[in-house]
Formats: sequence, structure tokens, C-alpha cells
Amino acid sequence: GQNIDQPTEMTATEGAIVQINCTYQTSGFNGLFWYQQHAGEAPTFLSYNVLDGLEEKGRFSSFLSRSKGYSYLLLKELQMKDSASYLCAVREWKSGNTPLVFGKGTRLSVIA
Amino acid sequence: EPEVTQTPSHQVTQMGQEVILRCVPISNHLYFYWYRQILGQKVEFLVSFYNNEISEKSEIFDDQFSVERPDGSNFTLKIRSTKLEDSAMYFCASSTTAARGEQYFGPGTRLTVT
Repeated sequence: GQNIDQPTEMTATEGAIVQINCTYQTSGFNGLFWYQQHAGEAPTFLSYNVLDGLEEKGRFSSFLSRSKGYSYLLLKELQMKDSASYLCAVREWKSGNTPLVFGKGTRLSVIA
Repeated sequence: EPEVTQTPSHQVTQMGQEVILRCVPISNHLYFYWYRQILGQKVEFLVSFYNNEISEKSEIFDDQFSVERPDGSNFTLKIRSTKLEDSAMYFCASSTTAARGEQYFGPGTRLTVT
């Protein structure tokens, strides 16, 4: 099975940088995903890490350490529209059409 | 940009009734999924589908649930006899590959069982 932990809530100031951490335990790892979810809407794909290191995509970066079972999502130059839940999801390594297992999400509030 | 679509956006039904939730995955995607999210809770996997077969299903996906790809574009989730606890947002997702591809989610159907 899998266990995914991330903080429940975070608050940050417009223009600042925020780091959202995620730790996971899984029997076989095949990728970690970050999704953004605004209230009442669908999750939107942000990033994917399968190898150790940093993946950068504009204002968003995601880091993975497989040996530590740890990832973070870094959001730079925060904007009010970044207020949303950020979901960490892990996929196990096994054959077939493996689903994503989601954490409970981190609700980020961006304040002026 | 291609996207996953779902209908209806909101469905209200009485307990014990059957509902069918519809999804049109992205056209060149081959792998399909249903997830649900009870209000205030995390996104939970229900079932995955590939090559006209269920690939994997969770404990939630019991005999009351079924999936079908009735034609080349639609992917449906049927709940045979709805219960109050089935009230949730149901998301359809699709991906190009199983192993490495990110899953793209539809806008969801909010199911309310009264």
C-alpha cells in the first residue's frame, strides 16, 4: 500500500515563494505527480518526477528524492490565483494500468 | 487544446436509482480512469480501463459499479443502485500511456443522492 503525507494548509504572501512538501511510502515507485485543484474544479496536472532532482516549469518547480521518499513543489512569484489545493500523487511500479494514489492535498492561501 | 469532457455536470438522484455518468476522453488517449472525491476529502481511485477491459479496480468499485466503452469515444460509469454515501464528485481521466503519462482530468460530475 501507499501512505502520502502533506501539510493540510499553508498561507503565503503575494510575490513570495512557497514550498509544499510531500512524503510518501510505497512498495514500488513509478512516479510522483503534482496537481493543482481549485475549489469545485478538477485537478490540473502541474508536474511529474520519476528521477531524483529538480524539474522546472515556469514559476513552478518540483523536486524528488526517491531514497528519502520526499518531494516538494516550489511556487515562485506567488499570485492571488495560485490560491488552491495542491495534490501530491504517487504511482506504484506494477504492470497494468496503474492508478494514482493521492494525498489529502495542501490548501494554499495567497494573501496580499 | 484537447480536453476530457464529462456529462452531466450535476446529477441529482434518489437513493436506489441507477445513474450513468458519461465521459469523452482525449481522442488519442488509450487509458481511462474514474476517480471520485467526497466533499472535503481526497481524490480516490475507482477503476482503470484499457483495451475494452478493466485493468484495475479499488475496493470502492464493488458490484454496484460498472464501466463501459460503448463506442469509440464515450466511457461511462454506471452505479446500479445509488446510496447516500455515493454522493461525491466523479472525475474521469485519460492518459496516452500507462507507465509514464500524466493523467488529464475532466471537469467532473457532481452526484447528489437524496
